[in-house]
Amino acid sequence: DGGITQSPKYLFRKEGQNVTLSCEQNLNHDAMYWYRQDPGQGLRLIYYSQIVNDFQKGDIAEGYSVSREKKESFPLTVTSAQKNPTAFYLCASSTLTGESQPQHFGDGTRLSIL
Amino acid sequence: GQNIDQPTEMTATEGAIVQINCTYQTSGFNGLFWYQQHAGEAPTFLSYNVLDGLEEKGRFSSFLSRSKGYSYLLLKELQMKDSASYLCAVMDSNYQLIWGAGTKLIIKP
Repeated sequence: DGGITQSPKYLFRKEGQNVTLSCEQNLNHDAMYWYRQDPGQGLRLIYYSQIVNDFQKGDIAEGYSVSREKKESFPLTVTSAQKNPTAFYLCASSTLTGESQPQHFGDGTRLSIL
Repeated sequence: GQNIDQPTEMTATEGAIVQINCTYQTSGFNGLFWYQQHAGEAPTFLSYNVLDGLEEKGRFSSFLSRSKGYSYLLLKELQMKDSASYLCAVMDSNYQLIWGAGTKLIIKP
């Protein structure tokens, strides 16, 4: 079955540590997205990518970094510069941006600080 | 700025009908999406409206009025499994999704 796989499901970060969240899709989608979800707030866009080796900052990119070396993969690194990383992180993909296509989501990674 | 408003929480009875409203102010409009999200899970796509009017899909219907910046999601014959959050999202002129905070729907027997 085609879909989006995020791992791990739960992740704990120590102070000063960088952690990387994995996102893999086999839907052959060009566009991939990372969102952060906090209680009582809408999804907020961290980074997105429309094509391999290219990505753009979203609304809350500070303290995060991404790469897009393969079409299928879009890992997110939460750096030590992100002072409030505790949240539910969602990866999504869609067919070409510039079209009104629904985004499909992975099951999410819940990140907490130790 | 861009803004999407939805009620925070609603309660309804099993077997009844509920309407979840969404109002929006965005820079441009390229469609409105409704998603369902069960607690701790991924959002799943429910419906898409780009033209005014009602789109029906089984027990779920979605309505759009672009002139009023308004949409609603109508759920009929409510089942306990419909207890979830319902997210409204608008695609702006840059084809970016702007998300509402979601409406938590509680279904009571």
